[in-house]
Amino acid sequence: EAQVTQNPRYLITVTGKKLTVTCSQNMNHEYMSWYRQDPGLGLRQIYYSMNVEVTDKGDVPEGYKVSRKEKRNFPLILESPSPNQTSLYFCASSTTDDNEQFFGPGTRLTVL
Amino acid sequence: GQNIDQPTEMTATEGAIVQINCTYQTSGFNGLFWYQQHAGEAPTFLSYNVLDGLEEKGRFSSFLSRSKGYSYLLLKELQMKDSASYLCAAFYNQGGKLIFGQGTELSVKP
Repeated sequence: EAQVTQNPRYLITVTGKKLTVTCSQNMNHEYMSWYRQDPGLGLRQIYYSMNVEVTDKGDVPEGYKVSRKEKRNFPLILESPSPNQTSLYFCASSTTDDNEQFFGPGTRLTVL
Repeated sequence: GQNIDQPTEMTATEGAIVQINCTYQTSGFNGLFWYQQHAGEAPTFLSYNVLDGLEEKGRFSSFLSRSKGYSYLLLKELQMKDSASYLCAAFYNQGGKLIFGQGTELSVKP
């Protein structure tokens, strides 16, 4: 089944404890992206990747890192999480940047 | 910035037609996406408009006017399951950046 998977789906952590949210797609898509979704603010793009080893900042990259060492995986890294990073995170992928994006199921992160 | 504006919420009656508007800044604009998101779920793709005009897909249609920086999503024969948030997103300059509006929460009532 063609899909985008994210892990974990839910995470409660404390300020300053490094964490990684994994994202994997099995559709051989070149483009992958991370978003956060907050009430009243909609989806905001954190980072995106046009292909392996190519990543760019979205609108809200501060406090996040990403890597794209292989085509299928695009992990989101929070080196030192803070409470303002409490949010619902979505990973998405598509064949190219101007095509339909397929979203993962979301990761609900709470930073205490 | 590249603000995307859409109404926060709308209410409509089952069986009716509803139009959800979206405005965006035209500088560097390439195309306009519409996504549907049910509560607690991931967004799912509805349409992508690059050229001016109306594109129809069953009960859903999407319209784009590039010169006016305006799009709308038209939902016909509304069903209860159409209650969801509808997200407008503008794609700017070849290079991957996608800007979403805050979403329009549509409630369909019997």
